[in-house]
Amino acid sequence: NAGVTQTPKFQVLKTGQSMTLQCAQDMNHNSMYWYRQDPGMGLRLIYYSASEGTTDKGEVPNGYNVSRLNKREFSLRLESAAPSQTSVYFCASSTVIGNQPQHFGDGTRLSIL
Amino acid sequence: GENVEQHPSTLSVQEGDSAVIKCTYSDSASNYFPWYKQELGKGPQLIIDIRSNVGEKKDQRIAVTLNKTAKHFSLHITETQPEDSAVYFCAATPGTGFQKLVFGTGTRLLVSP
Repeated sequence: NAGVTQTPKFQVLKTGQSMTLQCAQDMNHNSMYWYRQDPGMGLRLIYYSASEGTTDKGEVPNGYNVSRLNKREFSLRLESAAPSQTSVYFCASSTVIGNQPQHFGDGTRLSIL
Repeated sequence: GENVEQHPSTLSVQEGDSAVIKCTYSDSASNYFPWYKQELGKGPQLIIDIRSNVGEKKDQRIAVTLNKTAKHFSLHITETQPEDSAVYFCAATPGTGFQKLVFGTGTRLLVSP
């Protein structure tokens, strides 16, 4: 049982390049999330998907887009990468939206030069 | 919106000592309070959580207490071991609106043998 799987684990991009971060969960969860983690700032929500077919903005959505491909998969896309998007990105899932435990993947470490 | 403050930012203890990490929250309607442990290079892992209708919860060497009047909750780790060394995050779910998790900024715990 893998839980939440993120790919790739590491990536270096040049400013202006585009990239899609992949996330898949095998726990039959309805809700999925994308966070970024920066030093001293904890985890900040970028986008979330309450259920298959729906997506909504979190607190820091600018520069990102998401796709809930199916119940298992939720991808995050950077259309034109900027140095300010250098961060560690985490995907998470939960049974339903709201006050439920969230299960995290091991992250994608993204550097933008 | 909800704001979660976490203290201390770093905590060093000797093996066998107890460790306490404290968080305060601003939304009196918040109703779910999880704690996560993050080891180097890994994603946050849920270690214990508490809901607003409970004052204390224990799981072996870990306990969480909640004071709704003062709007603070604490993580207690007894008989610390070197493998407890990690970054710990508290979080809270606001009681109204979109119930996303709001995270504290983390506490780096170092347990020395």
